[in-house]
Formats: sequence, structure tokens, C-alpha cells
Amino acid sequence: QSVVTQPPSASGTPGQRVTISCSGSSSNIGSNPVTWYHQLPGTAPKLLIYSNDQRPSGVPDRFSGSKSGTSASLAISGLLSEDEADYYCAVWDDSLNGYVFGTGTKVTVL
Amino acid sequence: EVQLLESGGGLVQPGGSLRLSCVASGFAFRSFAMSWVRQAPGKGLEWVSGFSGVDTSTYYADSVKGRFTISRDNSKNTLYLQMNSLRAEDTAVYYCAKEGYCTRFNCFEAFDQWGRGTLVTVSS
Repeated sequence: QSVVTQPPSASGTPGQRVTISCSGSSSNIGSNPVTWYHQLPGTAPKLLIYSNDQRPSGVPDRFSGSKSGTSASLAISGLLSEDEADYYCAVWDDSLNGYVFGTGTKVTVL
Repeated sequence: EVQLLESGGGLVQPGGSLRLSCVASGFAFRSFAMSWVRQAPGKGLEWVSGFSGVDTSTYYADSVKGRFTISRDNSKNTLYLQMNSLRAEDTAVYYCAKEGYCTRFNCFEAFDQWGRGTLVTVSS
């Protein structure tokens, strides 16, 4: 069981804004940068957000990240059907001396 | 174009061994940390092991410590994962991932490139 937790599911209609939380502790989110990934069925994960709130080149600005204390969030605005995927946060954990992925959130576009 | 190509997966009996390989191209392999990340069928992502890009430091998840060994051959642009004493719960797709998203000015911790994965099935 991961030490970083996410809600198992989130949903919205096209055009809506969806927010996914990522909750950790002082040894991970509280002291290290958070990254976010999305994964379409049968494919490899893809980087969405690095360094808590930065978008790599090519990622639409509909995706935004934030961090406060021991929690982080990913927001998807202007939801599109192609955003239906699994979303994961990840962070280094100083106590475990390794990376930890969040439990994952399945986003459904209604 | 960055490419990561994993191989070596397959069916193995409990207690057996496998060695995974990941051949990298399109970037300065020796300069980047690399990791293995796995995903059990229908489950989430789990980081397995990492190898530093600046020295020979290696890191392991508690679930594989003492059973798996990560290594790299920079002359062959290849990352390896030697998996021993395999268990049913090690069944997963194993992804190779490059660590380090670089902008014009800096590099940041992130798994910015992933391979397609190789399936390891541990079953009798």
C-alpha cells in the first residue's frame, strides 16, 4: 500500500474542471518536488507536471499542478474526452530512500 | 528522438530468475539517472529501483530489496534489472524510465521518458 494517497476516481462532463488530490507526509511531499503522470489503457505513463507546477513542453495549459504542505493537486480544466485516463502523482521519500507513486486516480469523462 | 526498449520478460516459476534489459538511444545515457517502474495487472504504478546518473548509487523499493539488482553499462547505453527469488507478486509489466526533464537552463527530477514495458509473469 502506497504512503501517498489519491482518490480512486474523479469525473466530470466535457468542459468542466476536475481536481485530483495527492496526500503524503513530511518525508515525501512535504520536502520534495511532486510530479504527475497520466496513463491511457495499454500504454506507458506520460509526464504531465514536474517540480510541483511546471508543464513540460507540449503539455496543454489545461493541466496545472500545485502543492501546499504535505499535499499536492492536479487540475484539469476544459475537460476533453481524451483526458479519460489514470493519473498518478510521484515523489521522492526521504525515509524510504526511494520514489513513491500515488495510488492513482481514474478520471472519467461523462 | 529518445527511445527506451525493454526486453527479457517472460514466464518464470516462483523462485526463479530473470534479467531485464533496457537499451536507450537519443540522449546522453551516461548523464542521467534511470529507474525501473512496474505495474501489476489492473494495479497502479510501483517504483522498483533506480541507478544514479552521477555516481554508482543504487536505490530499491523495500519489496524487492535483497532480491533485485540494478546495474548499467554506459558503454552499451543499457540498463539492467537482475531479478532473483521471484514471487507471484512480482508479476507485472516492467517499465524502464529516464529520470530528468531538462529545460534550456536546468534539469529536474521527473520520469520524462518511458519504454513500452516488458511483461514478467511468475507462475507455476
